[in-house]
Amino acid sequence: DADVTQTPRNRITKTGKRIMLECSQTKGHDRMYWYRQDPGLGLRLIYYSFDVKDINKGEISDGYSVSRQAQAKFSLSLESAIPNQTALYFCATSDLGVAGERETQYFGPGTRLLVL
Amino acid sequence: ILNVEQSPQSLHVQEGDSTNFTCSFPSSNFYALHWYRWETAKSPEALFVMTLNGDEKKKGRISATLNTKEGYSYLYIKGSQPEDSATYLCAFKTMANSGNTPLVFGKGTRLSVIA
Repeated sequence: DADVTQTPRNRITKTGKRIMLECSQTKGHDRMYWYRQDPGLGLRLIYYSFDVKDINKGEISDGYSVSRQAQAKFSLSLESAIPNQTALYFCATSDLGVAGERETQYFGPGTRLLVL
Repeated sequence: ILNVEQSPQSLHVQEGDSTNFTCSFPSSNFYALHWYRWETAKSPEALFVMTLNGDEKKKGRISATLNTKEGYSYLYIKGSQPEDSATYLCAFKTMANSGNTPLVFGKGTRLSVIA
């Protein structure tokens, strides 16, 4: 089984709809992240959480919100989806405490979102 | 805002050629420099983490070097093969805020190896 899972893997929605992307991990990591990938722009950080009680905005948080329901779960919501939120979304985890890894990030398989 | 630059943005090489690309990052408050390999339709996967000036890491035909004083890292691929085709991402972590900052990713170098 994959260590970092994302659901759904693909989603088509309409402008104005609220949608939630979910991420679960079995790695036992405290730190979790949401990124979006657009062609030519690499990975851009949306939100991150260093533990269950910690939520931080990333580079492009406008239009998004997150919830860290447990150490293993980190959800990303689009409150009112718009077409320019069409992108590939990745969840990732890391663990500062693992010696030598220095926060290597482990990525989920991605969620492809299309907003019409 | 920390800036991590990668060059070139993309390159095409012939099978068997060796190649290299660059990651530039801030030279102050250095904590770690990561390299990731990202194949099309897959997720990024970690290649190397480097933490000390002068570090060299090697995995098969791929190696990386680190210069923290001048703020750059090179990734080398010897004898490129079609399966090396991917986007190579570097990511920088600063010691600012006692290390409680996320990785900052570059935009990547997209490598295509032509058989």
